[in-house]
Amino acid sequence: DAGVIQSPRHEVTEMGQEVTLRCKPISGHNSLFWYRQTMMRGLELLIYFNNNVPIDDSGMPEDRFSAKMPNASFSTLKIQPSEPRDSAVYFCASRQGPNTGELFFGEGSRLTVL
Amino acid sequence: AQTVTQSQPEMSVQEAETVTLSCTYDTSESDYYLFWYKQPPSRQMILVIRQEAYKQQNATENRFSVNFQKAAKSFSLKISDSQLGDAAMYFCAQMYNNNDMRFGAGTRLTVKP
Repeated sequence: DAGVIQSPRHEVTEMGQEVTLRCKPISGHNSLFWYRQTMMRGLELLIYFNNNVPIDDSGMPEDRFSAKMPNASFSTLKIQPSEPRDSAVYFCASRQGPNTGELFFGEGSRLTVL
Repeated sequence: AQTVTQSQPEMSVQEAETVTLSCTYDTSESDYYLFWYKQPPSRQMILVIRQEAYKQQNATENRFSVNFQKAAKSFSLKISDSQLGDAAMYFCAQMYNNNDMRFGAGTRLTVKP
């Protein structure tokens, strides 16, 4: 079975540009999470969805960040406009259901904003 | 708010020896999950072991075991017979109420041949 699939693996962009990160969760998983990892702040939860509905977006840094989950098999994290401080690895993870606990992670998208 | 603390930024162990990584957490919940994840240089987050808070028995997965002290809110990971492939960042994490998962800052483990 395919795991969580993220794209792109690497993205280099210039400040002010729009960035879209994509995630396909494991089929049958009902919860999806976006995390950001930096050296300074570690792993930070940005937002998570249950059954395609955003449950907690309190970790989203500011209005420049937005996340959507239009269906059970796809989610996007958008940054517009991007800034150098957004440079990080962004992870998507999915969970089968509310009582299973474990998160399955994608390989991450490394974003560099120049 | 729940927090997860890993007080050891770095640890090292000799190959074939045993090492223990520390983790403490803070929560007012009674039912929750605890996890240890491994992140090798490839950066993929891999689940090492999990523990349900309602279970008194410590979880074990081959060479990996935990010492779960619920009253002390402590959840340490013991790696026995360390192997070179165990070198990685290790993250302790907590999930409660089947909601979000919070991670500690991580411990970088080096395995010396």
